[in-house]
Amino acid sequence: DARVTQTPRDKVTEMGQEVTMRCQPILGHNTVFWYRQTMMQGLELLAYFRNRAPLDDSGMPKDRFSAEMPDATLATLKIQPSEPRDSAVYFCASGLVLGDGTGAYEQFFGPGTRLTVL
Amino acid sequence: AQTVTQSQPEMSVQEAETVTLSCTYDTSESDYYLFWYKQPPSRQMILVIRQEAYKQQNATENRFSVNFQKAAKSFSLKISDSQLGDAAMYFCAYRSADPGNQFYFGTGTSLTVIP
Repeated sequence: DARVTQTPRDKVTEMGQEVTMRCQPILGHNTVFWYRQTMMQGLELLAYFRNRAPLDDSGMPKDRFSAEMPDATLATLKIQPSEPRDSAVYFCASGLVLGDGTGAYEQFFGPGTRLTVL
Repeated sequence: AQTVTQSQPEMSVQEAETVTLSCTYDTSESDYYLFWYKQPPSRQMILVIRQEAYKQQNATENRFSVNFQKAAKSFSLKISDSQLGDAAMYFCAYRSADPGNQFYFGTGTSLTVIP
């Protein structure tokens, strides 16, 4: 049963602390997306990768957020230092793009990490 | 950038009845995909149905069907024989033809099913 996994599922931290969220895409998928969901803004794209290379991170506050893919099975999103306004649910999603430009229709979402910054 | 609009923040339906959720989008592209995702209280985003823009036939998945009006840029979701388990947030999403492109999501419609 292939699925995207995310850890931790919930995280409560204090302002100023570093937060790292991890995502394991579906094995074989080569595209990874990070989204942030809040009541006010809905689902916003923060960054996405193809074949581990960042394609777009324009939605991410560069001064405190960073996203990486150390290898094909792990994507990380780091916030340092965290602020109360970062409180949200962070979703990772993965997809597959083939060499001829075709690929899977949908993105497969993980269960999300609910972050609360006090 | 493409925009997706869901004008109904909340909807309710009696169990076993039919409900339609609205979605409009703005794009200059001719080839794209549209999706409806369901998000129950568990937070998990679940694909309900998708529509390829080049297909004139409306997609159907069991009790879920869409009314795709390409010229009007409208993509509504109809849920027939509503069940208690259908209660959730529903998000409309747009993606251009390139499967590696990002999704653009609407703000969601919260559906309540009344027993």
